Amino acid sequence: GENVEQHPSTLSVQEGDSAVIKCTYSDSASNYFPWYKQELGKRPQLIIDIRSNVGEKKDQRIAVTLNKTAKHFSLHITETQPEDSAVYFCAASQLRSQGNLIFGKGTKLSVKP
Amino acid sequence: DAGVTQSPTHLIKTRGQQVTLRCSPISGHKSVSWYQQVLGQGPQFIFQYYEKEERGRGNFPDRFSARQFPNYSSELNVNALLLGDSALYLCASSLDPTGELFFGEGSRLTVL
Repeated sequence: GENVEQHPSTLSVQEGDSAVIKCTYSDSASNYFPWYKQELGKRPQLIIDIRSNVGEKKDQRIAVTLNKTAKHFSLHITETQPEDSAVYFCAASQLRSQGNLIFGKGTKLSVKP
Repeated sequence: DAGVTQSPTHLIKTRGQQVTLRCSPISGHKSVSWYQQVLGQGPQFIFQYYEKEERGRGNFPDRFSARQFPNYSSELNVNALLLGDSALYLCASSLDPTGELFFGEGSRLTVL
């Protein structure tokens, strides 16, 4: 089955700096890769996703890149703000069954003012 | 519109007991998935239901079961509770199995 590895487990940056979180997956059949943000005691919320037919997707300060050959994808947050502080999870699944997501273990991002 | 609603929000059980968790999806959503999130870990897939049929099952023992009702709400049942079942149980709904997932706030289960 699918296995998703996520690094780093913790990340501390200064406000305004960029943050990068990396994930690798094992199942070449996976073709859908979402990223979720989870604030303490809150629900996971989708912040961006990418499908395997594209290599990069941007949404304001957030971007995701995908390398299908190497089976890895990354989340990039630019101009970080204190409100970006949260735990971020990457996940992988097949498009035909997005309800069956395999998550990474999470990255706790701290943005220091 | 209301989001995904789950009940109860918190509960405490003792080892060996049984628990039922409930989930109401977003109106119009026909697919419901259940996840277990142990503290400090990512959510782990338990079940997916669509149109009252099981569409997928994660690597969980038979003590875990679920069902989906005609109104698309769902229940997750866990029998013979173990200490290791203590976790946040998340329900997520989508229009169909290929749609974006929307998570509820979860039910936090503590097993003593």
